[in-house]
This record gives sequence, structure tokens and C-alpha cells, in this order.
Amino acid sequence: GQNIDQPTEMTATEGAIVQINCTYQTSGFNGLFWYQQHAGEAPTFLSYNVLDGLEEKGRFSSFLSRSKGYSYLLLKELQMKDSASYLCAVMDSNYQLIWGAGTKLIIKP
Amino acid sequence: GAVVSQHPSRVICKSGTSVKIECRSLDFQATTMFWYRQFPKQSLMLMATSNEGSKATYEQGVEKDKFLINHASLTLSTLTVTSAHPEDSSFYICSAREGRESDGYTFGSGTRLTVV
Repeated sequence: GQNIDQPTEMTATEGAIVQINCTYQTSGFNGLFWYQQHAGEAPTFLSYNVLDGLEEKGRFSSFLSRSKGYSYLLLKELQMKDSASYLCAVMDSNYQLIWGAGTKLIIKP
Repeated sequence: GAVVSQHPSRVICKSGTSVKIECRSLDFQATTMFWYRQFPKQSLMLMATSNEGSKATYEQGVEKDKFLINHASLTLSTLTVTSAHPEDSSFYICSAREGRESDGYTFGSGTRLTVV
């Protein structure tokens, strides 16, 4: 079956750096997405990786290793507003999005 | 960037009644829209893929007669929850993609449905 694994919850300190990991096993691969979702709101797009390596976008970076079925989202200079759930999703060979359960990130002052 | 408008944001209905949720793509045409359901603290679950001008494709276990999808134009898809029951209470979200995968999928603001 298809599977996306990410930690359920993480805690970090304001101003620090946090890395959220995502491992996947899917039938085919056509890209990996990271989304941010605040409680009670819809997800918002953060990043898309289809080739191995690191993509940087301001305070957020996303890394992909296709051979390892692994990605991480790196958040730098954490702010209180970064407290949210972070969803990892993989597009399989049928171009279907397979979603992880999300990682709830708690930022403490 | 792409915007997807979803209405209503919240709805409370009585058991046995039907509820219609609208999803509109603003400033872009969406031949395909996706409908998700999300229960508290759980992942997004794809319910169906809505295709303009043709029948929707439903995921396994989703009753097509209960969750009616209509994609009558390139900018509007609707989901109607028929004969709603308390177990249908959930967060329903639509999404669409304007451009390439690298642009990501844009989500509507979601609809919180409560069936009493």
C-alpha cells in the first residue's frame, strides 16, 4: 500500500530552527509537496520538490531524496505564527496526491 | 496567485436535509477540482475528483449518490451532501491547480459542516 510517515507533533523555540521529516512509500513518484495548515483553516502551499536536493524559499527550505523516499521541511528563525500543522503529500504515478497525517508544530517563546 | 473561493465557510443543518457547498476558481479555469474531507487531527482524505463536463470520479468507499458533485463550468464545482447525518459532520475542502505542479494546488477556505 501507499504510505506517508511524518511525526505527529514537534515542539521548538521561537527564533530556533526545526526540521520536519517525511518518509514515503508510493506507487510511483511525481513530486512531493509541503503544505502549512493552521487550525480550522485550509492548507496553504509551501513547496514542491521533484528532483533531489534542497529548495530554499525564504525562511523555509525543503529537501528531497528520491532514492531514500525521504524529504524534510526546514524552518528557520521560527516565529510564533509558524505554529501550525505541516502536511507532506506525494503525487503518485497516477498523479494522485497521497497525504500524510501532518505534523503539529508547537512554537514556545 | 491562484485563488479558490469556497462557500459557505460554516453550516449547521438538521439530520436528513441536504447541504450544497460551492467551490469557484477565481481568475483561472479549472477543468479539474478535488474534494477532500478532513476529520479532526486527521489527514486530508480525497473524496472525489470533479471533471468539467463529465462525471466525477469517486474514491473507494465514497457514496456517489450521497455526495453529489456537479462541475458545470470551468470555474465552478459543487458538492451536495444529501440526507446528511451526524457522521457526515466534517471539514470539507476543495482544491484546484492553475498551472504546473511546481505551482502547487490551491485550496478553498473549507466548509465546516455540522449535522445535528
